[in-house]
Order: sequence, then structure tokens, then C-alpha cells
Amino acid sequence: QLQLQESGPGLVKPSETLSLTCTVSGGSISSSNYYWAWIRQPPGKGLEWIGNIYYSGTTYYNPSLKSRVTISVDTSKNQFSLKLSSVTAADTAVYYCATYPYSGRNGWVALDIWGQGTMVTVSS
Amino acid sequence: DIQMTQSPSSLSASVGDRVTITCRASRGIRNDLGWYQQKPGKAPKRLIYAASSLQSGVPSRFSGSGSGTEFTLTISSLQPEDFATYYCLQHNTYPLGFGPGTKVDIK
Repeated sequence: QLQLQESGPGLVKPSETLSLTCTVSGGSISSSNYYWAWIRQPPGKGLEWIGNIYYSGTTYYNPSLKSRVTISVDTSKNQFSLKLSSVTAADTAVYYCATYPYSGRNGWVALDIWGQGTMVTVSS
Repeated sequence: DIQMTQSPSSLSASVGDRVTITCRASRGIRNDLGWYQQKPGKAPKRLIYAASSLQSGVPSRFSGSGSGTEFTLTISSLQPEDFATYYCLQHNTYPLGFGPGTKVDIK
């Protein structure tokens, strides 16, 4: 069974770059049956999709963050990563990674397996 | 972008009640919708995918219906462990989008 685990600094200074990694276990990040996603949730607020990446490197980003976001994949480490530049206090949130799976009968289906999330605070 | 709305934004209910939450998309998304339950401090948990398919291991009191622009999540008999916030997610078109959530609490 796939498991995902986020890791990275819990505190980032304003104007700097937030960097997080999601480590995939129990399966291969090179599987053609998954996109890999980042989602965030500010304290007390709802969920916001950040972007997806396929093992080949194909990416899709939320237009609201696109100018600041880079998602990359490292198949040798079975990991994918998020970089968010020029952060402000508004980027303070719990960041989740998740799978976006392909189900043959239904095609691509809703985000399935989630990591536990990691809290990132933007503060000087 | 496709906008997702949910109603109600919150509700109070009793154990045993039937609860229905509605999610609407600003344009048709076929059945490319999932429902999630989130408890405080925890990651969201998928309950329903493809609008009406029950996630393995999720109790059968949860059900989903709808297609196009209007979708519902129904809890047939609310249990104590069901008090949580529920979100819908459309994945028909990028950017993917979540509804704003419905908080279900104890009456």
C-alpha cells in the first residue's frame, strides 16, 4: 500500500523559498497510474490545490501560484518536491502531498492517498 | 476556472440523523468529483470517488450521487465519529478545485 511522507523546514522567512519533499513508499513514483499532487491548507481555512506532476516531469499548476511554484520529481529517490518562492505570511499553511490515481474503469479519479501533512510557518 | 460551492457551510445534527451536503460546479464536470472527510489535525480522507463510488473501507452509510453540476453526499444515519468537515473536489479540469467545506457538528 502506498504511503506518502512530507518533510522540510517548519519555519521559512518572508521573501525566501519554501522547499518540501514528499517521499513515496510502498510503490514506485515511476508508475504510469499516478500523478503526484501538492495541496495546502492555511490554519482554520479550506483546501487549496497547488499542482500535480507525472513521473515524466509533466506538471500542472494552480494559476494563482504558478509564477512562484516549481514541482519536480526524483525517480531515483522515489520523491517529488515543491518549491514556492517569495513567500509571505499568506503562505503559512499545512502542506500535504497526495496521489492522483488512474482507475482503469473510471479514468483519473479524485486524490486518494494523502501524507500526514507538514506545517510551514512564514515568519521572520 | 471551475468554481465549486457547497451548502450548507455548516450544520448541526444529532446521532442517527440523515444528513445531506450539496456541492455545485460552475459548469459541467461529468462525474469527476470526490468527497472527503477531514477531522481536526488530520489529513483529508477520501470517502467517495467518481461522484458515487464508495471508497473501500468506508461505511455504507455514506453515499454520493450526481453528475454534471450538482452532487450530493448523504450520511444515512449520522454516527459520533462522523462529526467533521466535508469537502468536495472537482478534477475534471485544471486547476483542480475544492469546495469551501461543510462543517458537521453535534446538535
